[in-house]
Amino acid sequence: GQQLNQSPQSMFIQEGEDVSMNCTSSSIFNTWLWYKQDPGEGPVLLIALYKAGELTSNGRLTAQFGITRKDSFLNISASIPSDVGIYFCAVYAGGTSYGKLTFGQGTILTVHP
Amino acid sequence: EAGVTQSPTHLIKTRGQQATLRCSPISGHTSVYWYQQALGLGLQFLLWYDEGEERNRGNFPPRFSGRQFPNYSSELNVNALELEDSALYLCASSLEDRGLGTEAFFGQGTRLTVV
Repeated sequence: GQQLNQSPQSMFIQEGEDVSMNCTSSSIFNTWLWYKQDPGEGPVLLIALYKAGELTSNGRLTAQFGITRKDSFLNISASIPSDVGIYFCAVYAGGTSYGKLTFGQGTILTVHP
Repeated sequence: EAGVTQSPTHLIKTRGQQATLRCSPISGHTSVYWYQQALGLGLQFLLWYDEGEERNRGNFPPRFSGRQFPNYSSELNVNALELEDSALYLCASSLEDRGLGTEAFFGQGTRLTVV
């Protein structure tokens, strides 16, 4: 089945630092999504990407849809303590996976004040 | 506008019992998705309902089932509960999925504990 390789698995950074995480796949996808999940809560959609090469920003967050359609990255600039959480990439696939979001394993972000 | 709501927030059941989890989608959304998130693991796709029909299901045994009602709310039923079913169960909703990759919005989840 489809697999997303998300890295790094965890990050420990100082407040104010920039953060970068990425997702790669051996398959081509037409939609990449980035979610953030706080402990005990459901994931919250941060950014949606629909076009190869697309670069989209949402406040301090910037995400890009790779030109090969096999990868995506998420950057967070000037991190703050509330950025703590688990960040997931997700993709939509067609065929037998129609309607199914496939998630990466997540990046655990810790921000030290 | 209200987001996706799930009930109950916590549920404790004994092994062998049945659990019923409920989800109300965002107003206007017709598609409902269910995911299982076991501790320390990512989200695993369970079921997708759209317009009252089951459209796709993940690699889970038949004791995981559900339905979607005419008002687009949904139930997830888990029969013959096993200890390994303990997890956070997340519901998400979206506008009708046309295969273009529609944004899905999640509820806060139901924490199911099987003892």
